[in-house]
Amino acid sequence: EAGVAQSPRYKIIEKRQSVAFWCNPISGHATLYWYQQILGQGPKLLIQFQNNGVVDDSQLPKDRFSAERLKGVDSTLKIQPAKLEDSAVYLCASSSSRAYGYTFGSGTRLTVV
Amino acid sequence: EDQVTQSPEALRLQEGESSSLNCSYTVSGLRGLFWYRQDPGKGPEFLFTLYSAGEEKEKERLKATLTKKESFLHITAPKPEDSATYLCPRARNSGGSNYKLTFGKGTLLTVNP
Repeated sequence: EAGVAQSPRYKIIEKRQSVAFWCNPISGHATLYWYQQILGQGPKLLIQFQNNGVVDDSQLPKDRFSAERLKGVDSTLKIQPAKLEDSAVYLCASSSSRAYGYTFGSGTRLTVV
Repeated sequence: EDQVTQSPEALRLQEGESSSLNCSYTVSGLRGLFWYRQDPGKGPEFLFTLYSAGEEKEKERLKATLTKKESFLHITAPKPEDSATYLCPRARNSGGSNYKLTFGKGTLLTVNP
């Protein structure tokens, strides 16, 4: 079974620039999550999709972050404009059932300078 | 506030020296307590799901247990390859049959040869 694919692996941008991350979940997984993990912290949920609908985006900074999941498969997360405090690893995960938890991708490491 | 607290923050063991990691949670309505390990530069990797007090699960040198207020990850005769950050997110409902994981900071385990 292929894992959760994310790209790019690393990204360095200047503050106020925009950036986008891409995620391809495990085939058949209806639920997709984006997490932000700041160095030394645990992952923090940004947004959760069920198929192509948003289930929970209560912690997404909507003034600068946006996400979409067209056709209920791939997803993109965008930041515009980026701030220094957005430097973090952005993790995508997908899930089919609670018993097996989430499967995470390797993440995109974003550095904002 | 929904909190997961892990202790200790860091633990250094000698190879073969058994120990336990602790995870406590403060909000009622537990819908599952998970254990993950995270290696540097990678996304968290699922280990166990526990649902009810008294439940135990094992995998190789790891054994996870759950009480009404906390969970323990027992590591028996650890090896250097067990070195990682261990995370214990709890599950909460996020609408309908969906759930989301709330993470703490984790415990950084280092096993010296």
